[in-house]
Amino acid sequence: DAMVIQNPRYQVTQFGKPVTLSCSQTLNHNVMYWYQQKSSQAPKLLFHYYDKDFNNEADTPDNFQSRRPNTSFCFLDIRSPGLGDAAMYLCATSTGQIQETQYFGPGTRLLVL
Amino acid sequence: DAKTTQPPSMDCAEGRAANLPCNHSTISGNEYVYWYRQIHSQGPQYIIHGLKNNETNEMASLIITEDRKSSTLILPHATLRDTAVYYCIVRDNQGGKLIFGQGTELSVKP
Repeated sequence: DAMVIQNPRYQVTQFGKPVTLSCSQTLNHNVMYWYQQKSSQAPKLLFHYYDKDFNNEADTPDNFQSRRPNTSFCFLDIRSPGLGDAAMYLCATSTGQIQETQYFGPGTRLLVL
Repeated sequence: DAKTTQPPSMDCAEGRAANLPCNHSTISGNEYVYWYRQIHSQGPQYIIHGLKNNETNEMASLIITEDRKSSTLILPHATLRDTAVYYCIVRDNQGGKLIFGQGTELSVKP
């Protein structure tokens, strides 16, 4: 089945140690999104790629970066994780067309020690 | 900011219809109403969307008031697996980003 895959499902890192989360998709969608969801809160968009065009949300901290080397893969890099960055990180994809639906992966839960 | 208001929680008996309300009084003419749900520890899942007409699919029905200032998501025969947080989202027809509000936590009880 076509899907959005996130690995690992759980990631533990140390305070200040760079960490990379990965997302892949078999849907061949043009757009890939990264959301952050803290405990008991709603998902919040960090940034997205439309093909190779990167679109950052105005309030996304500089500590968060992203790479999309090809259509299928997108990475979220946290350069110096703080305790406040512990959250579920959700990847989503869409075709980018009008009324398009976003398809979400299962998420990676990040723990910062 | 999210443009919708939803009750924080609701209960529903298994097998009964679950009616989840959403207020979006500032919705504009080119904005659609989308519903997603998020089962615990999973990613959000698309349910349904509509502009002004009522919509139905295999998962749910969406009833939008004539003035479009509110809507109701209906799960006709709720099961325990429908326990989740349900998000109502207003989104423009150019594929604008999803801005999630706090959602409604639906608990389906035996």
